[in-house]
Amino acid sequence: QQQVKQSPQSLIVQKGGISIINCAYENTAFDYFPWYQQFPGKGPALLIAIRPDVSEKKEGRFTISFNKSAKQFSLHIMDSQPGDSATYFCAAIDGSARQLTFGSGTQLTVLP
Amino acid sequence: GAGVSQSPRYKVAKRGQDVALRCDPISGHVSLFWYQQALGQGPEFLTYFQNEAQLDKSGLPSDRFFAERPEGSVSTLKIQRTQQEDSAVYLCASSLLESTDTQYFGPGTRLTVL
Repeated sequence: QQQVKQSPQSLIVQKGGISIINCAYENTAFDYFPWYQQFPGKGPALLIAIRPDVSEKKEGRFTISFNKSAKQFSLHIMDSQPGDSATYFCAAIDGSARQLTFGSGTQLTVLP
Repeated sequence: GAGVSQSPRYKVAKRGQDVALRCDPISGHVSLFWYQQALGQGPEFLTYFQNEAQLDKSGLPSDRFFAERPEGSVSTLKIQRTQQEDSAVYLCASSLLESTDTQYFGPGTRLTVL
């Protein structure tokens, strides 16, 4: 059972544009929602994370929007740059279980 | 060390061979996780250690998979009698405390079973 659903599978944006990736979850016990960035041949690197007691968190060009009632959260990348081209994974943690449950990933390509 | 390291980075095995994958977590990190990442997919949880105790091994796909962390630092993931479906990237992650949510990942070991 896929507990975190991610879309789109791939995304192409122009330099300077906004990239938006969406995730939805089912397990209401999830209490921590990180986003990871992964470059080819590298491990996932934490980008930004949010807890369900806030609706939005911004760090530089990256913003997470969180809708607890809809059980959805999204990543917005403002002023997208070619260096942002990577695979992005949303994830969630159930506080009692400790392990990350990942979405299926979004391959982002930012055209110069 | 500065980050999580894994070795080898690449491993090719013939079907039926045993393999051992090593993870060196960030020094002092209590929690250690193993994940399996199939091509084009998100990582999937395999097992979790808190110090030397294996607290959760619910993600191990079969009894051919075995993990240990005998001294609470370095961990080894062993796969016996490898099968083609075991081909994947095996990722190790560590976090500072058992209650810390932030996990830091290593570069992974790409296992190819022929």
